[in-house]
Amino acid sequence: QKEVEQDPGPLSVPEGAIVSLNCTYSNSAFQYFMWYRQYSRKGPELLMYTYSSGNKEDGRFTAQVDKSSKYISLFIRDSQPSDSATYLCAMSATGGYNKLIFGAGTRLAVHP
Amino acid sequence: DAGVTQSPTHLIKTRGQQVTLRCSPKSGHDTVSWYQQALGQGPQFIFQYYEEEERQRGNFPDRFSGHQFPNYSSELNVNALLLGDSALYLCASSLSGQGARGYTFGSGTRLTVV
Repeated sequence: QKEVEQDPGPLSVPEGAIVSLNCTYSNSAFQYFMWYRQYSRKGPELLMYTYSSGNKEDGRFTAQVDKSSKYISLFIRDSQPSDSATYLCAMSATGGYNKLIFGAGTRLAVHP
Repeated sequence: DAGVTQSPTHLIKTRGQQVTLRCSPKSGHDTVSWYQQALGQGPQFIFQYYEEEERQRGNFPDRFSGHQFPNYSSELNVNALLLGDSALYLCASSLSGQGARGYTFGSGTRLTVV
């Protein structure tokens, strides 16, 4: 079993839709939770960062962490064609030089 | 301010050959990590370098080795290439102490082994 599970999709939605992406994990030592966006032929770029449990909002993006269920989510409101990319969840434990453990990534396509 | 620079962008090698990939970290960063991203998969941690020493290593064979130079730039070497080594190799730099949110990734080197 992988440490981090993420549905690879692909996910196709119309412009303006609310998108829900999620990951589950098995390692209870994870304390830092991130969402990265990766465009084709580019490296991942950090979208959202959350420490421990709770919600974080940044513009159209909301990240949620539920450590009791070992489940994290990313919501994208009013999705735009420019949001079309692969979304990777990543996690890190304390005391380990911040090695990132990634999910497989979910491919998202937002069509006009 | 340049971000993380990786070279070359693409590379084709034959099975059994050796390859060296290069990374220049973002200005001000002192730590370099390397990740392998196979097609359709998330990046997998190979190793991390800090103060010219390998500080942490993922589950990769000894065919994968690296180096960090005094100017913080880094190289990833892979010996005896296998078809399964075909992947996007990502370099990520950070400043020690910044934590997990401090990574900046390069655009990667696409390695194809034939």
